[in-house]
Amino acid sequence: GQQVMQIPQYQHVQEGEDFTTYCNSSTTLSNIQWYKQRPGGHPVFLIQLVKSGEVKKQKRLTFQFGEAKKNSSLHITATQTTDVGTYFCAPRAGTALIFGKGTTLSVSS
Amino acid sequence: DAEITQSPRHKITETGRQVTLACHQTWNHNNMFWYRQDLGHGLRLIHYSYGVQDTNKGEVSDGYSVSRSNTEDLPLTLESAASSQTSVYFCASAEIGGPKSYEQYFGPGTRLTVT
Repeated sequence: GQQVMQIPQYQHVQEGEDFTTYCNSSTTLSNIQWYKQRPGGHPVFLIQLVKSGEVKKQKRLTFQFGEAKKNSSLHITATQTTDVGTYFCAPRAGTALIFGKGTTLSVSS
Repeated sequence: DAEITQSPRHKITETGRQVTLACHQTWNHNNMFWYRQDLGHGLRLIHYSYGVQDTNKGEVSDGYSVSRSNTEDLPLTLESAASSQTSVYFCASAEIGGPKSYEQYFGPGTRLTVT
């Protein structure tokens, strides 16, 4: 089945620095979703990517889907303390999602 | 406002007991899902349902069962609780075909401890 590897597992940055998390698959993905989970909270949907080479932006967040549809990335520009949490990528298999293990971001001010 | 709720939020039970975790959504979504979250494993799919009377096994379904008698509810039952089932359980729902197609909405989670 579809499995993805997320790197890094943990990342600590100073407020204002940029952050990127990568999601890699050995197989071609039809689509991928990204979720954010704040500490003690539940996952919250961020974006869905379906097209090869797709780039979507949400304020300081930029999401990319690779040309070969085997990888995806989330880039945060000028991190803020509100960006703290775990970011998950999740390719969709039918209507179900297969979550990566996530990248946990911590930010110090 | 539509929402998805889980109860109880915290539960402590003993090994061997049957436990049922409730999930209720008012989004009118046909698709519902149960995940467990453990450190180092992310979110793993337990069971899911495409609609009333439909249930499907996920990646880690052993020891769990679900039933779907209406659109709003998908209770998760642990037949005989084991310590390995100590985890945080999340329920989610999604619509198919609308503007937010396939986006999953998660409940607040249930923290289950099996002693």
